[in-house]
Amino acid sequence: GDSVTQTEGQVALSEEDFLTIHCNYSASGYPALFWYVQYPGEGPQFLFRASRDKEKGSSRGFEATYNKEATSFHLQKASVQESDSAVYYCALSDLSSGQKLVFGQGTILKVYL
Amino acid sequence: EAAVTQSPRSKVAVTGGKVTLSCHQTNNHDYMYWYRQDTGHGLRLIHYSYVADSTEKGDIPDGYKASRPSQENFSLILELASLSQTAVYFCASSVQNQAPLFGEGTRLSVL
Repeated sequence: GDSVTQTEGQVALSEEDFLTIHCNYSASGYPALFWYVQYPGEGPQFLFRASRDKEKGSSRGFEATYNKEATSFHLQKASVQESDSAVYYCALSDLSSGQKLVFGQGTILKVYL
Repeated sequence: EAAVTQSPRSKVAVTGGKVTLSCHQTNNHDYMYWYRQDTGHGLRLIHYSYVADSTEKGDIPDGYKASRPSQENFSLILELASLSQTAVYFCASSVQNQAPLFGEGTRLSVL
């Protein structure tokens, strides 16, 4: 079946550092790709999505580009803040099956002052 | 404002007991989902529904039932709760071509 792999289980950065969280997927079809963010005690919040090859999604300074050849959708931010500390999830959805999401394992981001 | 409300927010259950988790949305969304969150596994789909009075199995349905009596309400039922079902459960709703909106979760501990 379809799957999503996030390489980093945890990332620790200082404020103003550059962030990359790696996301690779495996899917039989042409999925839509998503990033969600989850703060402690809350549910996952939608960050952005991309549906086509080379499409860039972005929100709140975060961005990722759909790379069909590399089957990747890596999350990046140029300058992180302490408030960005959270768990980040990459997910995919096969549009032919409605909006059912397949999630990666999640990456814990800790940003220190 | 769009919202998905889950109740209870936390629950302690005994092994072998029956547990019902409830989800309510007033977003006029057709699609509703139940996910389970475990450390190291992310979120996994248990059951989902595209229309009232109909539910479908997700990726990990064993040990769970679902009920969708109306467009707004979607319940997850554990008939015989087990230790392995200790987890955080999230409900979500959406419409076609829209990213699912999640509730704040229910933390379930089975003792």
